[in-house]
Amino acid sequence: KAGVTQTPRYLIKTRGQQVTLSCSPISGHRSVSWYQQTPGQGLQFLFEYFSETQRNKGNFPGRFSGRQFSNSRSEMNVSTLELGDSALYLCASSDLAGGETQYFGPGTRLLVL
Amino acid sequence: GDSVTQMEGPVTLSEEAFLTINCTYTATGYPSLFWYVQYPGEGLQLLLKATKADDKGSNKGFEATYRKETTSFHLEKGSVQVSDSAVYFCALGISSGSARQLTFGSGTQLTVLP
Repeated sequence: KAGVTQTPRYLIKTRGQQVTLSCSPISGHRSVSWYQQTPGQGLQFLFEYFSETQRNKGNFPGRFSGRQFSNSRSEMNVSTLELGDSALYLCASSDLAGGETQYFGPGTRLLVL
Repeated sequence: GDSVTQMEGPVTLSEEAFLTINCTYTATGYPSLFWYVQYPGEGLQLLLKATKADDKGSNKGFEATYRKETTSFHLEKGSVQVSDSAVYFCALGISSGSARQLTFGSGTQLTVLP
């Protein structure tokens, strides 16, 4: 099976802009989670989607949002970008049979100038 | 809340040395425990996992045992290679109802010298 794919891999934006990142889960996986990785804060959970519904959300401001489509692909959006949003954004997918095991994509590296 | 505490890094070893990276956790329920590895410029790869107390996860010569009595999941390898140089993350996962979330430690940078 193909792994989790994320596009784009690299992105440069300026403060105040918005950005949309995309994630395609492993075939058959219906749960998609997003994480932010920064040198200062480490890996932090953003949100989880299952069957197009957000089931869980981390402690991030409302500028961070996401959605999931009927084919389980997911997007996350960050509006009004701040310098501190520069990070590696990781998407992970899982299936019900796998329990809590999540499989990660390569990430999208976002740089906000 | 749930948390994971990992051994501070960086760790530098010579090839063929023994590796231990300590990991302890705090959780209100019965978590699954994971070790993920991240190579430079890449995402996280699942290295091994254990889903209940006394389970031993193993992969590529790495091992970790789920110790409920000491709330620990230490990573070990008997003989490290240069190719093992990476950042290692300990994580716990709990399904709350149907929702899932991983909580990660801060990561341990491992460098193996030839």
